Amino acid sequence: AQSVTQLDSHVSVSEGTPVLLRCNYSSSYSPSLFWYVQHPNKGLQLLLKYTSAATLVKGINGFEAEFKKSETSFHLTKPSAHMSDAAEYFCVVRPVGNDMRFGAGTRLTVKP
Amino acid sequence: DTEVTQTPKHLVMGMTNKKSLKCEQHMGHRAMYWYKQKAKKPPELMFVYSYEKLSINESVPSRFSPECPNSSLLNLHLHALQPEDSALYLCASSHLWGQRSDTEAFFGQGTRLTVV
Repeated sequence: AQSVTQLDSHVSVSEGTPVLLRCNYSSSYSPSLFWYVQHPNKGLQLLLKYTSAATLVKGINGFEAEFKKSETSFHLTKPSAHMSDAAEYFCVVRPVGNDMRFGAGTRLTVKP
Repeated sequence: DTEVTQTPKHLVMGMTNKKSLKCEQHMGHRAMYWYKQKAKKPPELMFVYSYEKLSINESVPSRFSPECPNSSLLNLHLHALQPEDSALYLCASSHLWGQRSDTEAFFGQGTRLTVV
């Protein structure tokens, strides 16, 4: 079965410090991987995607992620957190086919 | 146009009512999805349509009935729901696997459903 595991349900950082949100995937094939963000009472916005091109992927709002096949990981990072980054973040896997599965989510809190 | 439009935004229905949720996209996507999201939980896949045909049904109760009348529209018909069906229902669309390298899904803002 194809799945993703987000290793932290909640991450808290101070404004201006780095952000690391961890995601591991399980897939028989080389999947497409995505990070989405959901602000309270809002829909889902795509931050970035990996589709077997460059392993280091840059997204919107200063976020980036690195695909590491040997570690089956796709961790999301940002050098400096802003208050507006506080939200729920989902790692999503799309293996071969039309089937997109979400991780459990990581709630990011940013302290002033 | 990269929008997925869902209507209504909010819906309150009784357990004996019949209602429908609607979703529309004009990006030429031939895969369309329904997800259910409970509070503080991730979206759970319910149905996937490929080329207007139902390709995935995640063992969803028959009180939820999806319909894809054409390549731009996706409906979810609701009948005899239970209070535990109250949730945010999200529609999404994407290109089919293998069609394009841009495989991401675009999500609507959702319909917040309350069953009373």
